Amino acid sequence: ETGVTQSPTHLIKTRGQQVTLRCSSQSGHNTVSWYQQALGQGPQFIFQYYREEENGRGNFPPRFSGLQFPNYSSELNVNALELDDSALYLCASSTRLAGGDTQYFGPGTRLTVL
Amino acid sequence: QQQVKQSPQSLIVQKGGISIINCAYENTAFDYFPWYQQFPGKGPALLIAIRPDVSEKKEGRFTISFNKSAKQFSLHIMDSQPGDSATYFCAAGAAGFQKLVFGTGTRLLVSP
Repeated sequence: ETGVTQSPTHLIKTRGQQVTLRCSSQSGHNTVSWYQQALGQGPQFIFQYYREEENGRGNFPPRFSGLQFPNYSSELNVNALELDDSALYLCASSTRLAGGDTQYFGPGTRLTVL
Repeated sequence: QQQVKQSPQSLIVQKGGISIINCAYENTAFDYFPWYQQFPGKGPALLIAIRPDVSEKKEGRFTISFNKSAKQFSLHIMDSQPGDSATYFCAAGAAGFQKLVFGTGTRLLVSP
């Protein structure tokens, strides 16, 4: 176990709705990255938060947004849900050091959009 | 340039055999290359990682071989066991920015 927790485990929403996913980072880690993993694919980087600010973003539209809190936990918000948003959403925590660092993944939240 | 190409897509190995998964990248800014193991319904778990200053790294039954000039790296699983049956992802990251670019994954099945 990595110490990274995510909630909820599963979620079912309908098209057009909004969703909030939560992540608690591993103790001592100040950086949280979010990834989307479609079925049968590798994780795709959504964005990263460091010290409560967005620190880089992948090729995802603005309806994907996030927050990081002073305790380094994080939220991923998705507005106007589309069917293609159905995926496993993973957060990964790490400590920001020069040269990159190990990312520890949580178990993910399975989002189904109907 | 941001892609990491992984092969094969699936692999069947007999118990005790060697499993080999290959990855190739284009972006020379990548300097961190981890391998992750993922079981169904679980998040990816780090297996082993390498940086370009070494050509090989071994941890237990898992070995990464790295060829900087060819921009390729591979995972070798020695004495493969049924419990190793999972999906394996290679990834690459660049210094100063911790975004990981993942390969498409290899489904490994180790037959008893």
